[in-house]
Amino acid sequence: QVQLKESGPGLVRPSGTLSLTCAVSGDSVSRDNWWSWVRQPPGKGLEWIGEVYPDGRTNYKPSLQSRVTMSIDKSKNQFSLDLHSVTAADTALYYCARNHVGLSFDPWGQGTLVTVSS
Amino acid sequence: QSALTQPPSASGSPGQSVTISCTGTSSDVGGYDYVSWYQQHPGKAPKVIIYEITKRPSGVPDRFSGSKSGNTASLTVSGLQAEDEADYYCSSYAGRSKYVFGTGTKVTVL
Repeated sequence: QVQLKESGPGLVRPSGTLSLTCAVSGDSVSRDNWWSWVRQPPGKGLEWIGEVYPDGRTNYKPSLQSRVTMSIDKSKNQFSLDLHSVTAADTALYYCARNHVGLSFDPWGQGTLVTVSS
Repeated sequence: QSALTQPPSASGSPGQSVTISCTGTSSDVGGYDYVSWYQQHPGKAPKVIIYEITKRPSGVPDRFSGSKSGNTASLTVSGLQAEDEADYYCSSYAGRSKYVFGTGTKVTVL
């Protein structure tokens, strides 16, 4: 059974960097597959942030591209998200997910809430 | 890349059917056969219930079905059950913009 779990600080100061890690079990991040981050502001809809491939290639949502960095750590079987220069608008539940068949996302992590506040 | 448009809410009585629309453009929904649907219960992570417009992952009841016409995709839930009460999101591949989600629809079982 494939499981993903997000971890990282729950509170980030404005203008700082939001850093999250997604630990994967039951699958290998080294496999031929993309891995994504999706966020959901409280009470709002889902927003795809970007994806990372085992060889380090990335694709980001255009409107976030200037602030996002994703990486993958094969030795720890995990991948990471850095979102720079955050504002209150970046407050959200952040999910990691595996890109799966038919360009769907499955499974998802449980999500981690990150609040941007001073 | 704007979010795909879904109705904010939909409802039906147990046993009835409800259909949710997901409207995009020729750059996303209309341009690719990669529309997925996700079910999200309160406090839970989304779960894929439809991919590639019409396909159901293993374990998803056949009460859930998908279709597409032009720039609009649809999800139909037949034989509504209490456990179908949830938020539903569509998603589409969008070429250079990669992926875009819908605005979400809250389904209420009356």
